[in-house]
Amino acid sequence: DAGITQSPRHKVTETGTPVTLRCHQTENHRYMYWYRQDPGHGLRLIHYSYGVKDTDKGEVSDGYSVSRSKTEDFLLTLESATSSQTSVYFCAISDRTGTGVKGEQFFGPGTRLTVL
Amino acid sequence: AQSVSQHNHHVILSEAASLELGCNYSYGGTVNLFWYVQYPGQHLQLLLKYFSGDPLVKGIKGFEAEFIKSKFSFNLRKPSVQWSDTAEYFCAVNAGNTGFQKLVFGTGTRLLVSP
Repeated sequence: DAGITQSPRHKVTETGTPVTLRCHQTENHRYMYWYRQDPGHGLRLIHYSYGVKDTDKGEVSDGYSVSRSKTEDFLLTLESATSSQTSVYFCAISDRTGTGVKGEQFFGPGTRLTVL
Repeated sequence: AQSVSQHNHHVILSEAASLELGCNYSYGGTVNLFWYVQYPGQHLQLLLKYFSGDPLVKGIKGFEAEFIKSKFSFNLRKPSVQWSDTAEYFCAVNAGNTGFQKLVFGTGTRLLVSP
C-alpha cells in the first residue's frame, strides 16, 4: 500500500465548529486529492493540489478549504461544520508516469466524520 | 462535463457465477479508465487500469475489463466469483481535457456473493 495516512480516523463534532482533517504521504507524489464518499453518490472530489501551495476546486468544494504548505501534507478544513458534511473523507495521491501521462490514484484509509 | 454511469447498483450472485459490471462514460476524447474495489470498512484499491494498447486488460484477483471505444464502455468481468469478492466496485475515468488530473467516479456497484 502507498504510504498515506489520514488523521483523525474518526471524529464527532457539533454543528458550527471548525474541523481540520490531515492527509500525510511518504511517496513524494505531486498530486493530492480530497474526496467525500456518500451512499448513492460514489466519490466526489472536494479539492485537489498539483503542488505546494497550488490547489484547485473540485465539484463539491462549497464549505471546504484546503492548504498544502509541504509536499507531504494536505489539509482539509471545514470552517463551520454542518450536518450535510457528515461523510467519509478520503485522501488520494498520484504522480506522473515516465511518459508524463497521469497515473492512477492511491487512497488513504479514510476519516469518518459525524457532525451532530 | 464528464460523467460515469454504473447501471447496476446492487448485484447478488452465488459463488462460481460469472460477473459482469457495466460502466459507461461520457467523454469523447482520450481517456484513462480504472476500476477500484472497496472491501467492507476499507479504502479503495486499484483492480485494473487502461491507458492505451490492448483493450482487454487484466487485473488482480482474476478480474478483467474490456475497453470498447465505440460504446464508451469499460465493463468489468470475472468468470467465477468467490465469497471474498463481496465489495463495492467503482469505475473511474480521467480525461485529457483536464490534463488527466481529475478522476470522475461512478456511483458504485455493491456486489454480494453468497456462499
